[in-house]
Amino acid sequence: DGGITQSPKYLFRKEGQNVTLSCEQNLNHDAMYWYRQDPGQGLRLIYYSQIVNDFQKGDIAEGYSVSREKKESFPLTVTSAQKNPTAFYLCASSPEAGGSTDTQYFGPGTRLTVL
Amino acid sequence: AQSVTQLGSHVSVSEGALVLLRCNYSSSVPPYLFWYVQYPNQGLQLLLKYTSAATLVKGINGFEAEFKKSETSFHLTKPSAHMSDAAEYFCAVSGSGGYNKLIFGAGTRLAVHP
Repeated sequence: DGGITQSPKYLFRKEGQNVTLSCEQNLNHDAMYWYRQDPGQGLRLIYYSQIVNDFQKGDIAEGYSVSREKKESFPLTVTSAQKNPTAFYLCASSPEAGGSTDTQYFGPGTRLTVL
Repeated sequence: AQSVTQLGSHVSVSEGALVLLRCNYSSSVPPYLFWYVQYPNQGLQLLLKYTSAATLVKGINGFEAEFKKSETSFHLTKPSAHMSDAAEYFCAVSGSGGYNKLIFGAGTRLAVHP
């Protein structure tokens, strides 16, 4: 079955540690996205990538980093510089870069808790 | 700039009653509009989308939405609520920025009681 997988589902981190969230898709989509979800705030865009080896900052990129070395993979690193990292993180993909009518398909999410 | 406002962070209906979730948008370009549903601790699933082909859009699970340009609205409705409809619903807009950027509303949590 085609889809988006995220791992792990739950992640706990101590303050001061970097942590990497995995996102893999087998839909052959060009574009991939990372969102952060906080209660009552909807989803906010962290980073997006329209093509391999290229990515752009979203609205809340500070304290995060990404890479796009393969079309199917778009890992997100939450660094120690992120002041309030506890949140639900969602990865998404869409068929074409720049396609405003394209549906974004979402993974199941990773819940990160900083202890 | 684009934005989305969802009126009512929580909506409660009886099983079998009409569901109405409100969404108003602001956009300087012709908007494309989406409704997504999220069940607890899961990702988002597309319910329906408006891409200018028809103003009344039918989606999955019996939901539909009507695009009203004069009211800048894209409200989501379902004639008869089912217990399985209990979830959080997000309205989103895209259409500017040169890439498929979605701007999400804050979400509306729908409760369905017997």
